[in-house]
Amino acid sequence: DAMVIQNPRYQVTQFGKPVTLSCSQTLNHNVMYWYQQKSSQAPKLLFHYYDKDFNNEADTPDNFQSRRPNTSFCFLDIRSPGLGDAAMYLCATSRDRANRGPHTDTQYFGPGTRLTVL
Amino acid sequence: GENVEQHPSTLSVQEGDSAVIKCTYSDSASNYFPWYKQELGKRPQLIIDIRSNVGEKKDQRIAVTLNKTAKHFSLHITETQPEDSAVYFCAASRYSSASKIIFGSGTRLSIRP
Repeated sequence: DAMVIQNPRYQVTQFGKPVTLSCSQTLNHNVMYWYQQKSSQAPKLLFHYYDKDFNNEADTPDNFQSRRPNTSFCFLDIRSPGLGDAAMYLCATSRDRANRGPHTDTQYFGPGTRLTVL
Repeated sequence: GENVEQHPSTLSVQEGDSAVIKCTYSDSASNYFPWYKQELGKRPQLIIDIRSNVGEKKDQRIAVTLNKTAKHFSLHITETQPEDSAVYFCAASRYSSASKIIFGSGTRLSIRP
């Protein structure tokens, strides 16, 4: 059974047209992450939610926003996509079982959404 | 800032031989070191991880070693098989509410039949 689900799997948008990517999880994990991955590169963390607390990476552009309305769902909003935002967007989840903090236990990745910007 | 260097960037080994990928980290406070495997067009998946209180961990054909003094850790795959072909990423993070995860740049492993 799918544990981390991303929709859509493929998204085509026009330059400057807002787009929302969604992620849902059935694992009841308290941490959810959004990564951007470009070809042949490591995933780049954009931000994460630790429970309801939002944590933005210092170099994440303001163009990227996120919402987590409940434990199961998390959204990535790209307000004005540019050509450089074309990439695979990966959602991941983890459970901080030992209260060590985020990124300290297995991250379960979704299948990703491939974003194309025309 | 913190950095994780990963070598080699590409690695080709004969099926049945061993493969070793090495990573060096800069943050001496790092506690957690996962390894992710990403097959072409698929999601990254954790294959093994190690914490700073352990020097070595093994899971069937896969092992990871950690040298905290030298700040490096390595992935060892023995008896390689065609399905081991993928990109492997190492990463490092520390136990903290403000934890960051730093990924290595990845190693593309190819297994020659």
